Amino acid sequence: DVKVTQSSRYLVKRTGEKVFLECVQDMDHENMFWYRQDPGLGLRLIYFSYDVKMKEKGDIPEGYSVSREKKERFSLILESASTNQTSMYLCASSFRTDGYTFGSGTRLTVV
Amino acid sequence: AQSVTQPDIHITVSEGASLELRCNYSYGATPYLFWYVQSPGQGLQLLLKYFSGDTLVQGIKGFEAEFKRSQSSFNLRKPSVHWSDAAEYFCAGSGGANNLFFGTGTRLTVIP
Repeated sequence: DVKVTQSSRYLVKRTGEKVFLECVQDMDHENMFWYRQDPGLGLRLIYFSYDVKMKEKGDIPEGYSVSREKKERFSLILESASTNQTSMYLCASSFRTDGYTFGSGTRLTVV
Repeated sequence: AQSVTQPDIHITVSEGASLELRCNYSYGATPYLFWYVQSPGQGLQLLLKYFSGDTLVQGIKGFEAEFKRSQSSFNLRKPSVHWSDAAEYFCAGSGGANNLFFGTGTRLTVIP
């Protein structure tokens, strides 16, 4: 089975900190995605990548950046964390249009 | 614009009763359609997917979904709900590109 691993399940950071959320997949998938999930708003796409060193903005990229130096790893970076970035962050990967495989999520709290 | 709509925010059913969760899509052509389930504090798990062909799709955990082009719907069904089915359910679609568009989810409560 494809596995998507997010490095932390729970994270607490201070306002203004630079935060790194790591995601690794083990099935050589080309596509990787970062979403945030908030009650009543569903899943909103932050950034995605179709290849190494490639990135595309999703619907809500402001305040975030990403890095994909290796095919299996896709990192989400909060340049200066703010309280409105407190959320559940979900990473996913896919092969073409096969549907996504999700990680277990990282619940980030910014205080 | 491509979109997926789940009209029900919250549904409550009794254990053993049948279940139908609604999903409507808006796409120019036949989309790829998916149903995912999310247990509390977890990521999303794929239940089933529809690409083409037979409009009745079988998935895991006893779920099925039917694609109806005339109604632009892809409703999820289960004949007999178990308490462990309590979760949030997401419908998603793709117009053929690699990105999925998600509905806002339906939370299912199962009462004994």
